[in-house]
Amino acid sequence: NAGVTQTPKFRILKIGQSMTLQCTQDMNHNYMYWYRQDPGMGLKLIYYSVGAGITDKGEVPNGYNVSRSTTEDFPLRLELAAPSQTSVYFCASSYPSGSKYEQYFGPGTRLTVT
Amino acid sequence: AQTVTQSQPEMSVQEAETVTLSCTYDTSESDYYLFWYKQPPSRQMILVIRQEAYKQQNATENRFSVNFQKAAKSFSLKISDSQLGDAAMYFCAYTTGTASKLTFGTGTRLQVTL
Repeated sequence: NAGVTQTPKFRILKIGQSMTLQCTQDMNHNYMYWYRQDPGMGLKLIYYSVGAGITDKGEVPNGYNVSRSTTEDFPLRLELAAPSQTSVYFCASSYPSGSKYEQYFGPGTRLTVT
Repeated sequence: AQTVTQSQPEMSVQEAETVTLSCTYDTSESDYYLFWYKQPPSRQMILVIRQEAYKQQNATENRFSVNFQKAAKSFSLKISDSQLGDAAMYFCAYTTGTASKLTFGTGTRLQVTL
C-alpha cells in the first residue's frame, strides 16, 4: 500500500513550457486534490475531484487544468509555465466516512519556472 | 470566506517542555472539522490530530492535545514533553466536509532546543 504517490519529485521548467504532474493513490479514495505551497505559506487548493469524471476549481485554478478518468489518477497540467507557478505542489486524497474527513498527502513536487 | 489564522510565525521550546500553538478560524457553519498537520523538513504533510466540532471533548493523541473553544472559534495545539523530532512547521486546517476541502493557515515554525 503506497498511499499517494507523485512524480516527478523535482522539475525545472522554462517560461512558456508545459508539463503534467502525476498523482496516483491506491486507497480507493473518491476525493482527490491538488494544492500549491508557496515559500513560507500554507497550502492553497488548486483543483479537486469528488470522483472519476468530476472536477472543480479551488481557490487558485488559473494556469492549471486537471482531469480524472480513473479513481486512482488525478494529473495536474500546467500550460505556458510562468515564474509565478514556482511552488511545491501536493496531491492528496480523502474518503470521507464517519467523522474522519482527513486528507492523505503525497510527498510533493518542487517546481521551479525560470 | 473561510479563513484560518495562525498568529505565531515562529515558536521555540526547550526539549521536555510544553508549548502551545494558536489557531483561530472563521466560519458560519455549525458542523465542521479541524486538523493540525505537521510538515518536517522532508515536506511530507503528517496528520497530528483532528477535532470534530460537534464533540465537546478535546482531542488527545499521546503528547499532543487540543484546546477547542467553539464559541471563540479557537483551536490551539499543545505539545507536551517536546522532543527534537517535533521541530517542524505546523499547520492548522479546517473543513466543513463539503468535498472535504481544506483551508490552511500560514503555519507556525516550531524550534526545539536542547
